[in-house]
Amino acid sequence: GENVEQHPSTLSVQEGDSAVIKCTYSDSASNYFPWYKQELGKGPQLIIDIRSNVGEKKDQRIAVTLNKTAKHFSLHITETQPEDSAVYFCAASPPGEYGNKLVFGAGTILRVKS
Amino acid sequence: DAGVIQSPRHEVTEMGQEVTLRCKPISGHDYLFWYRQTMMRGLELLIYFNNNVPIDDSGMPEDRFSAKMPNASFSTLKIQPSEPRDSAVYFCASSSYSRTGNNEQFFGPGTRLTVL
Repeated sequence: GENVEQHPSTLSVQEGDSAVIKCTYSDSASNYFPWYKQELGKGPQLIIDIRSNVGEKKDQRIAVTLNKTAKHFSLHITETQPEDSAVYFCAASPPGEYGNKLVFGAGTILRVKS
Repeated sequence: DAGVIQSPRHEVTEMGQEVTLRCKPISGHDYLFWYRQTMMRGLELLIYFNNNVPIDDSGMPEDRFSAKMPNASFSTLKIQPSEPRDSAVYFCASSSYSRTGNNEQFFGPGTRLTVL
């Protein structure tokens, strides 16, 4: 089955700097790659996603890139702010009989120091 | 829409007791997921339903865990008997490919379970 690995497990950056989180997946047929942000005491919330027919997507300070050949995708946050501090999860959606399932990475704790 | 609703938000129980967690998905969503989150194991998918039918329960850890979805607006996750290692945050999520065009899942606020 699909396996998603996420790095780093923790990331500390200075306010205003950029943060990059990377994920790799194993099933080349996976076709949907969302990123979720989880704040303390809350459930994960989708912040951006990308489909396999797109190489890059941007939404204000957040961007995601996808390299299908290498089977990896990354989250880029520019001009980080204290409110970006949270746990970030990547995920991949394998197709097939269990469609609509997401396989999550282990998560990255992002700390933005002001 | 109110989003995914879970109850209770916090549950403290003693080992051996039965625990029932409840979830109301977003109206019109046809997929419902139960996850468990711990520091050691991260976010684990336990089971998910499509149109109230269980599709994949391979993540259910033991026979002590069971889940039901009697109708489109309600699901339960039951642990009987509970053990201290079941302590975790349990999330419910729902999705609808036909509505969103993708597999985006909407998560509830979670139930923090502590088994003493």
